[in-house]
Amino acid sequence: GAVVSQHPSWVICKSGTSVKIECRSLDFQATTMFWYRQFPKQSLMLMATSNEGSKATYEQGVEKDKFLINHASLTLSTLTVTSAHPEDSSFYICSASSGLLANYGYTFGSGTRLTVV
Amino acid sequence: GNSVTQMEGPVTLSEEAFLTINCTYTATGYPSLFWYVQYPGEGLQLLLKATKADDKGSNKGFEATYRKETTSFHLEKGSVQVSDSAVYFCAHQGNTPLVFGKGTRLSVIA
Repeated sequence: GAVVSQHPSWVICKSGTSVKIECRSLDFQATTMFWYRQFPKQSLMLMATSNEGSKATYEQGVEKDKFLINHASLTLSTLTVTSAHPEDSSFYICSASSGLLANYGYTFGSGTRLTVV
Repeated sequence: GNSVTQMEGPVTLSEEAFLTINCTYTATGYPSLFWYVQYPGEGLQLLLKATKADDKGSNKGFEATYRKETTSFHLEKGSVQVSDSAVYFCAHQGNTPLVFGKGTRLSVIA
């Protein structure tokens, strides 16, 4: 079945540094990738949708200059948290699909726990 | 707007008990409906889905039926196991990306 690999699974960084999270589709071409953020005991909040080769579409309230998303190929999307601060500490999850609609299927990565100290 | 409302947890059950987690949705048109499961420290896994009214999704003993008249997609399992302990998310998708409910934490004790 479809597999999405997300790396790293956890990272601790100092305040003010940048962190890159990778999301790879291993056995299918992901034309669309989604990035979510999950706070403890809460639901997933969609941050942005990215289509291969084009700029990401950010949800309202998400700072595009802080959360840089690159989707340069059909198998890789990256999320870079720039100048991270403690309030950016969260669980970030990517999801990949071969299309925008759910009938194409969504596959989720295993998530990245970011802790900013 | 589009939204998903599911019962708040946590839900604690004894092994072999019957499980129901309620989920209702608000959406335009006829969205596809999903249940995802998140085990501790992991990402989300699709548990089951239904794409049209009266469809029943099922997997690993879990079932949910797409009820258009009540805009519901309640999750049920006849006999839960300790290994079912996780957070369960109801979600729908119409012409937008997935919209998730807040999740329901299930704890099954032996």
